[in-house]
Amino acid sequence: DGGITQSPKYLFRKEGQNVTLSCEQNLNHDAMYWYRQDPGQGLRLIYYSQIVNDFQKGDIAEGYSVSREKKESFPLTVTSAQKNPTAFYLCASSMHSDQRKETQYFGPGTRLLVL
Amino acid sequence: SQQGEEDPQALSIQEGENATMNCSYKTSINNLQWYRQNSGRGLVHLILIRSNEREKHSGRLRVTLDTSKKSSSLLITASRAADTASYFCATENAGNNRKLIWGLGTSLAVNP
Repeated sequence: DGGITQSPKYLFRKEGQNVTLSCEQNLNHDAMYWYRQDPGQGLRLIYYSQIVNDFQKGDIAEGYSVSREKKESFPLTVTSAQKNPTAFYLCASSMHSDQRKETQYFGPGTRLLVL
Repeated sequence: SQQGEEDPQALSIQEGENATMNCSYKTSINNLQWYRQNSGRGLVHLILIRSNEREKHSGRLRVTLDTSKKSSSLLITASRAADTASYFCATENAGNNRKLIWGLGTSLAVNP
């Protein structure tokens, strides 16, 4: 899975609880991304960060928050405001360049389930 | 928002046969990429084709791009049971800030 780790593999959330998903990369990539994947669906972008201390909302940011204090780390918090959090969460990274041919490297994913 | 639409949604073939998947998109692109996902795993990049390229090969994979029709195809030749996975196309739109727009994927089953 290309130098990106996600933990935990499975995460259980109780009603009203915030949970944080970890994503770490050792590829020296500038850009990092969080996606949500529902069964039989493609990927939907939650948040992305192109550089340390900066991040942007994706298409479905409501109920989620992120931070990018270090280049190698991009944790995602699923807040209690996210009413339907059950999904497979994927973190990815890419090199920040002007070559316009960037590929994304993915972690193994975290499956979040609601108790 | 989804731009790429893969076709077919699901494909079942016998080992040794070729598998062809198609992807259509709506806006001008910088490049189009194909990824593979095994069940319950992360995605793995397969191949990238730039907007000024028409065909690219990588091992048993062949990708074509027709910008006039806004479509791409992925051909897997001499398929193997290990090719069983979901395949996604993703486009980097012209002028975009490096976000990829993803299709819904084609689920490929290769039967031994």
